[in-house]
Amino acid sequence: AQSVAQPEDQVNVAEGNPLTVKCTYSVSGNPYLFWYVQYPNRGLQFLLKYITGDNLVKGSYGFEAEFNKSQTSFHLKKPSALVSDSALYFCAVRDRSGNTPLVFGKGTRLSVIA
Amino acid sequence: EAGVAQSPRYKIIEKRQSVAFWCNPISGHATLYWYQQILGQGPKLLIQFQNNGVVDDSQLPKDRFSAERLKGVDSTLKIQPAKLEDSAVYLCASSLDSPLNTEAFFGQGTRLTVV
Repeated sequence: AQSVAQPEDQVNVAEGNPLTVKCTYSVSGNPYLFWYVQYPNRGLQFLLKYITGDNLVKGSYGFEAEFNKSQTSFHLKKPSALVSDSALYFCAVRDRSGNTPLVFGKGTRLSVIA
Repeated sequence: EAGVAQSPRYKIIEKRQSVAFWCNPISGHATLYWYQQILGQGPKLLIQFQNNGVVDDSQLPKDRFSAERLKGVDSTLKIQPAKLEDSAVYLCASSLDSPLNTEAFFGQGTRLTVV
């Protein structure tokens, strides 16, 4: 069964500094990997995905993530954080083999301080 | 393109009552998911449909929860009877599920409070 670990409950970063939100995964086969963001009282919004190809994927709002197969990681990054990036971030994984479910981590709360 | 529609947005019921949630996925999306998100936690999959067939319902508490997807489009999730621990946001999502389009798109959710 697939699983996702987000080791940090909370990440604090100053506005303008780079940010990293960590994610590691476990699947039996090869993964599809995703990042979602959730603002208060809103549903989850898709940010970016890794399907195949280049290990560095770029997504919405200047976010990017790097797939590292040897470390089974898919960390979310942004070169310069904005206060408006403050939200709850979820990493998710799906096994490529078969019609498997999309499994989420527990989430990391990002606070960007002005 | 219209997004995933869910109703109602909010619902308050007493324990042991029943409740139903409705979801209309994005047109053409074959896969539909229902997730339960308890405050402070990540979404937990309840059930996954592919068209109108169930792919995964291993985490659905079948003694009280049921779901159906008639004609492979709209879906309803029902809880009967509700317990206090069912208080959560219920999220519906849909996915096209082509090789390059596997991401799921979410509705705004239904916030259920059981008192």
